[in-house]
Amino acid sequence: DSGVTQTPKHLITATGQRVTLRCSPRSGDLSVYWYQQSLDQGLQFLIQYYNGEERAKGNILERFSAQQFPDLHSELNLSSLELGDSALYFCASSDAGARETQYFGPGTRLLVL
Amino acid sequence: GQSLEQPSEVTAVEGAIVQINCTYQTSGFYGLSWYQQHDGGAPTFLSYNGLDGLEETGRFSSFLSRSDSYGYLLLQELQMKDSASYFCAVRGYSGAGSYQLTFGKGTKLSVIP
Repeated sequence: DSGVTQTPKHLITATGQRVTLRCSPRSGDLSVYWYQQSLDQGLQFLIQYYNGEERAKGNILERFSAQQFPDLHSELNLSSLELGDSALYFCASSDAGARETQYFGPGTRLLVL
Repeated sequence: GQSLEQPSEVTAVEGAIVQINCTYQTSGFYGLSWYQQHDGGAPTFLSYNGLDGLEETGRFSSFLSRSDSYGYLLLQELQMKDSASYFCAVRGYSGAGSYQLTFGKGTKLSVIP
């Protein structure tokens, strides 16, 4: 158990809909990262937040947005969903040490029908 | 930008040694990490190299040559439970005092009896 929690574990929805994925980082970690992993693909970095502020953006679509709240939990909002958005979405938090090891949550499996 | 190359699949025999190579191209390099991911699971941190040389952690070792933009993960005394995907990831500076990981597409290791 990494200490990072994500909800829900599974999500099935229809094209055009909007969903919100939630992540709670490990206690003490200020950074939260969101990744998308499609079938047989690597981890695509979406966005990073540090202590409530956006720090870095990766390959995040304009239909997607995220935020980090004062209690450090984060939410990833996916809107106008398309079939191609079906994927595993991981949240990770880091210890900001020299290695900046990232600890991943169990992921949310999103299926868009 | 950053890009990483690693073999897509490797098969090895239980008890043997296997090496998974990773080459990278990056505009700024701050370390090479390795993560393990079992099917349906979350990536978990294995090893980190910030400087040239070998890092050993039990049955797993990781090597880095910054001049060659090359690293590898060495798994010894392979066990069936080592069957998983292994990702190399480059730590790069993304601005505003923040770093991000760029992951390779992963190497699927199959350990056979």
